[in-house]
Amino acid sequence: AQSVTQPDIHITVSEGASLELRCNYSYGATPYLFWYVQSPGQGLQLLLKYFSGDTLVQGIKGFEAEFKRSQSSFNLRKPSVHWSDAAEYFCAVAPTSGGSYIPTFGRGTSLIVHP
Amino acid sequence: DAGVIQSPRHEVTEMGQEVTLRCKPISGHNSLFWYRQTMMRGLELLIYFNNNVPIDDSGMPEDRFSAKMPNASFSTLKIQPSEPRDSAVYFCASSLKGIHYGYTFGSGTRLTVV
Repeated sequence: AQSVTQPDIHITVSEGASLELRCNYSYGATPYLFWYVQSPGQGLQLLLKYFSGDTLVQGIKGFEAEFKRSQSSFNLRKPSVHWSDAAEYFCAVAPTSGGSYIPTFGRGTSLIVHP
Repeated sequence: DAGVIQSPRHEVTEMGQEVTLRCKPISGHNSLFWYRQTMMRGLELLIYFNNNVPIDDSGMPEDRFSAKMPNASFSTLKIQPSEPRDSAVYFCASSLKGIHYGYTFGSGTRLTVV
């Protein structure tokens, strides 16, 4: 079974600063990987996903993530954070075999943006 | 596209009462998922359906929980009787069958059992 770890419960950045949110996974092969964002009082919204190919994935809202097989990581990045990016971010990993493809979600990282 | 619609947005009920949460998935999506989110346990998958058929309900915590999907455009999650430890945010999500499309989540139902 797969698992995912988001080591940082909270991250605080200043508006305009760069951002990197960490995600590490455990799976016997290369899994499917996702980042979701949850604004207060809302459901999760898909930011980006990785299935295969180019290890640098572009998503919505100016986010990108890089898959690093050697580190079992899929970190989310943004070059310049806006106050509206304050939210909870979830990494998810799904198996690539077995038929169900149901993702496992991390516990989330809360992003706080200071003006 | 109105997205995944959940009702009610908030529910406060007394312990022992029956609670029914409702979900309307995106038209054309053939997979539907019910999740529960708490501070203690994070996001947990309760049950999912493919083409209205329950596929895996191993995440349903107890027999007090039941879910149905009578047609492609409607699903319910019922808790009977409810307990204070059921207090959580319950999300419904839908997708096209297969992982490649990601999930679309509803805005959730915040359930408080007192």
